[in-house]
Amino acid sequence: KAGVTQTPRYLIKTRGQQVTLSCSPISGHRSVSWYQQTPGQGLQFLFEYFSETQRNKGNFPGRFSGRQFSNSRSEMNVSTLELGDSALYLCASSEQPGDDTEAFFGQGTRLTVV
Amino acid sequence: AQSVTQLDSQVPVFEEAPVELRCNYSSSVSVYLFWYVQYPNQGLQLLLKYLSGSTLVKGINGFEAEFNKSQTSFHLRKPSVHISDTAEYFCAVSDLWGTGNQFYFGTGTSLTVIP
Repeated sequence: KAGVTQTPRYLIKTRGQQVTLSCSPISGHRSVSWYQQTPGQGLQFLFEYFSETQRNKGNFPGRFSGRQFSNSRSEMNVSTLELGDSALYLCASSEQPGDDTEAFFGQGTRLTVV
Repeated sequence: AQSVTQLDSQVPVFEEAPVELRCNYSSSVSVYLFWYVQYPNQGLQLLLKYLSGSTLVKGINGFEAEFNKSQTSFHLRKPSVHISDTAEYFCAVSDLWGTGNQFYFGTGTSLTVIP
C-alpha cells in the first residue's frame, strides 16, 4: 500500500507570491491534516479535512487555506507569501477522524520563501 | 488547552547505552499520548501510543514509554541504542474529546548516538 504522497518535495517562491501544495492520502483514508514545521515554532496544526469538509483549524492567518476533493486528496494554499512562511509542510492521513486513530505522515514539502 | 514540553532539546548517548527522552504535558482534559520519530528529510513515523489500559507501552524498534498521570509525563526509553536511532523525536498529545486528528507536539528532542 502506497504511503502519503506530498508534492512537490521542494519549492522556492518569492515574497508576495502564492503557492499550492498537494497531498494524496493512503488509499482508503478519508481524513487529512496539515502541519507546519519550523525550527522556532516546531510542529503546528494548520487544519484537518474529512469528507471534503474542514473539521478543525489551527491558529493561522487567513492566507493559509485548504480544501479536500472527493477522492480525499487535499491541497493547501498560501497566498501573499512572507519570509516567515518558509517551513516544512507535513500532511497526515488517517482512516477517519478520531484521536485514537493512527496518523501517517508524508515526507513533507520544503517551502523556501526568498 | 493542551501543551507538551520536551525538556531536552539534544541528547547525545553512546551506542548500546540506555536512553530516556523526557516529555511532560499539560491538559485540562484526558488525552491520548504519542511518540513520533523523524529521520532527516523524512516525515514522522509513529513509535508508540498510549490510549488507555497499561501505563507501560511498547513500540517499534525496541522503544517503550510509561504514562504517569500524577506527574503528567510520558517519557520514552530504550535500554540499548543503535546508530540507526539517531533522529528527532517528538512527543504529542491529542484531546480525548477532540473532534478529529489534531495533535499538539513538543518541540522535539534530537537524539545523537555516538559510536
